[in-house]
Amino acid sequence: GEDVEQSLFLSVREGDSSVINCTYTDSSSTYLYWYKQEPGAGLQLLTYIFSNMDMKQDQRLTVLLNKKDKHLSLRIADTQTGDSAIYFCAETAGGYNKLIFGAGTRLAVHP
Amino acid sequence: DAMVIQNPRYQVTQFGKPVTLSCSQTLNHNVMYWYQQKSSQAPKLLFHYYDKDFNNEADTPDNFQSRRPNTSFCFLDIRSPGLGDAAMYLCATSRDGGQSPLHFGNGTRLTVT
Repeated sequence: GEDVEQSLFLSVREGDSSVINCTYTDSSSTYLYWYKQEPGAGLQLLTYIFSNMDMKQDQRLTVLLNKKDKHLSLRIADTQTGDSAIYFCAETAGGYNKLIFGAGTRLAVHP
Repeated sequence: DAMVIQNPRYQVTQFGKPVTLSCSQTLNHNVMYWYQQKSSQAPKLLFHYYDKDFNNEADTPDNFQSRRPNTSFCFLDIRSPGLGDAAMYLCATSRDGGQSPLHFGNGTRLTVT
């Protein structure tokens, strides 16, 4: 079945880059997504990448996709305290864009 | 402006007392989803509507039902809440469910006493 795995915790210093990694299992996923969740809030779509792309850049965010290894990463440049949140990787599974989420990576940014 | 709106943000209900959570959208999207997210876990899909077509996940308990009276509104009904149903409930929409991204509301946190 489908499964998405992420490391649970990442701590970085303010101003450094953060890299959050994810592996997925469904090779038929057409899109892969990154969502951000702040405490007590819903999921905010950060970015997504089409499976025929290797990289997508959007301001401070860079997504890298290694389809052969089924590995996805999210790099946040110049990490700020406002980036502290839980980041979820998700793959599509089946019709109607059903998303399978990883358990989330909690990013802590310290001075 | 919020495009997927969930009410209330916080809901407390008693064990066994039916409760309804609501979701509305201004995006005119065809697909609406309900996810359950327990503490420190990934969101898990309960069911979704494509227009009026209801699609239940195989492992969604019968205790959970949904209604979509029109394009804009979708409701989650929990017929007899148990302590294990305490969670954040997230509503999401998608334009056509093909590969268009999901847009989430801020969720309703349900407490069962």
